[in-house]
Amino acid sequence: TQLLEQSPQFLSIQEGENLTVYCNSSSVFSSLQWYRQEPGEGPVLLVTVVTGGEVKKLKRLTFQFGDARKDSSLHITAAQPGDTGLYLCALTDSWGKLQFGAGTQVVVTP
Amino acid sequence: ETGVTQTPRHLVMGMTNKKSLKCEQHLGHNAMYWYKQSAKKPLELMFVYSLEERVENNSVPSRFSPECPNSSHLFLHLHTLQPEDSALYLCASSQEGRGLDTGELFFGEGSRLTVL
Repeated sequence: TQLLEQSPQFLSIQEGENLTVYCNSSSVFSSLQWYRQEPGEGPVLLVTVVTGGEVKKLKRLTFQFGDARKDSSLHITAAQPGDTGLYLCALTDSWGKLQFGAGTQVVVTP
Repeated sequence: ETGVTQTPRHLVMGMTNKKSLKCEQHLGHNAMYWYKQSAKKPLELMFVYSLEERVENNSVPSRFSPECPNSSHLFLHLHTLQPEDSALYLCASSQEGRGLDTGELFFGEGSRLTVL
């Protein structure tokens, strides 16, 4: 059973456009992490959100944690080719271990 | 030195071969992990070592055998693999606190395995 659903699976946009990717769970979770995996690299942590309704900003990236702590979104403003990568969300399960979604592949073309 | 180093980066092996993947972390962390990444699938947690003891084995077939000789090194020994085992194998480390929650994972670049 997959705990996390990420959508869309794939997103291709032009440089300068905005995009939003989503992460949803059927269960409430205590914290959620977003990672970005660039081609040929391992995932790198972008942010951890822990409080329902929390919004965190990292330059052009805005992360939101739903009030019910069952969903999260990542919004990128004015995307750049360097934003290309696989965006993964991960939650801490009841055994304290991270469970990952399948990811959203984002491609930003110049 | 990079935080988590994996070797080899690419490996092609036949189904009867025996090979090993190596992971080394230079971050002083106390937990290490093996994940399997297949296209369009979530990362699958395979093994977890905390303080050099295996604490989790997610029903991984016995043809995958982990080894953690010390807190900085982790191996994945491979034997009689199947073509469906072809994937990117990622090693990660973290600093586990007193609680159960997993903190930030630091990943290596992965070992791309192809089984013919």
